[in-house]
Amino acid sequence: GESVGLHLPTLSVQEGDNSIINCAYSNSASDYFIWYKQESGKGPQFIIDIRSNMDKRQGQRVTVLLNKTVKHLSLQIAATQPGDSAVYFCAESSPDSNYQLIWGAGTKLIIKP
Amino acid sequence: NAGVTQTPKFQVLKTGQSMTLQCAQDMNHNSMYWYRQDPGMGLRLIYYSASEGTTDKGEVPNGYNVSRLNKREFSLRLESAAPSQTSVYFCASSYRQGSEKLFFGSGTQLSVL
Repeated sequence: GESVGLHLPTLSVQEGDNSIINCAYSNSASDYFIWYKQESGKGPQFIIDIRSNMDKRQGQRVTVLLNKTVKHLSLQIAATQPGDSAVYFCAESSPDSNYQLIWGAGTKLIIKP
Repeated sequence: NAGVTQTPKFQVLKTGQSMTLQCAQDMNHNSMYWYRQDPGMGLRLIYYSASEGTTDKGEVPNGYNVSRLNKREFSLRLESAAPSQTSVYFCASSYRQGSEKLFFGSGTQLSVL
């Protein structure tokens, strides 16, 4: 898992399996959360976002879960493919940050053939 | 549709030199941002412009200046580059400022010797 502002962990997943990337946040006032994917040498690319009035949101092959009680956010990627190899960042915003995104350090996802 | 375009892609400077990073977006977004990304870390906000004619400091503004030239363009200037400014710089834009997804450029890799 990852905490906003700390080291870069790595997750290795077999191709075809589901991936779960975790993110912990500390600010209980955070009300918007977002996941980005960054491939090597490229800018971050939006994956999915969720607001604090929701617990779950689904996209194409991705699901974000938000547990406000324990301040935990997760990104689930179904049927992981080689193209999913990247660094995944969570970010949060709150009134405390003037609604600017505060970014975690990222999780590197490696797909094993 | 080009999205967010940054120039240059790579730059090497000597300590004390100045330079301007250029950014333009063609999505008619109101808000634009400059971030820096250091190895193994998330993005940190340098400056942002919530709308044309306004600019505000982010988390790490020291040593930088910005200009919102018009709705499309937002430049970042290093007046006297320092080795601590070696980083990858990303420009981003969003429809409005706040809890909203950002669209990123492909980045500028800057080395200050």
